[in-house]
Amino acid sequence: EIVLTQSPVTLSVSPGERATLSCRASQSVSSYLAWYQQKPGQAPRLLIYDTINRATGIPARFSGSGSGTDFTLTINSLEPEDFAVYYCQQRGYFGPGTRVDTK
Amino acid sequence: QLQLQESGPGLVKSSETLSLTCTVSGGSISSITDYWGWFRQPPGKGLEWVGSINYSGTTYYNPSLKSRVTMSVDTSANQFSLRLTSVTAADTAVYYCARDVASTRGAGQFVNWFDPWGQGTLVTVSS
Repeated sequence: EIVLTQSPVTLSVSPGERATLSCRASQSVSSYLAWYQQKPGQAPRLLIYDTINRATGIPARFSGSGSGTDFTLTINSLEPEDFAVYYCQQRGYFGPGTRVDTK
Repeated sequence: QLQLQESGPGLVKSSETLSLTCTVSGGSISSITDYWGWFRQPPGKGLEWVGSINYSGTTYYNPSLKSRVTMSVDTSANQFSLRLTSVTAADTAVYYCARDVASTRGAGQFVNWFDPWGQGTLVTVSS
């Protein structure tokens, strides 16, 4: 079983700033990690797959990095629509999520 | 573009069976490379993968739910379904379906991600 830990639990950021979200796996998952965005009342949306690849239609301000057990989702110059909960995923396991809210 | 839509009862009595169907449009459920997954999210909590199935009926389930879960596929209707038996209040959640884009990479490592997702349907288990 893989356990994914996300930090911080909540990240308070001002629009236009950069947000850096972390996901740590309990064992190496190579470069096979995905990230999702979920807004209130909506389904999750795939942002990043294979650690670094943006899904179709995802703006370039979203980027992923990492390998092994430590991964990062970076959101450059946050837009108002980026305030949401972000989940990392590997196989059938999801992290508990990081909430990005307005400072 | 591929779209998924969940359907089924919004209220299920405790100890009974939850049954949901996901209808796929804009693409074929018989795609050789794709699996189709179910997920759930209790109110205010995180995401949980329930299980996935492919066009031929091959399944893989979350070990924590495996004893209560059955998934099936109807390729003629472009649908796949979930049955969860012996439900309790802990099974109250928004249930989502999504395409499970799965593959095997170097050294036999299983890789997947989920896209797109249906809008979700709330299922409440009542006593």
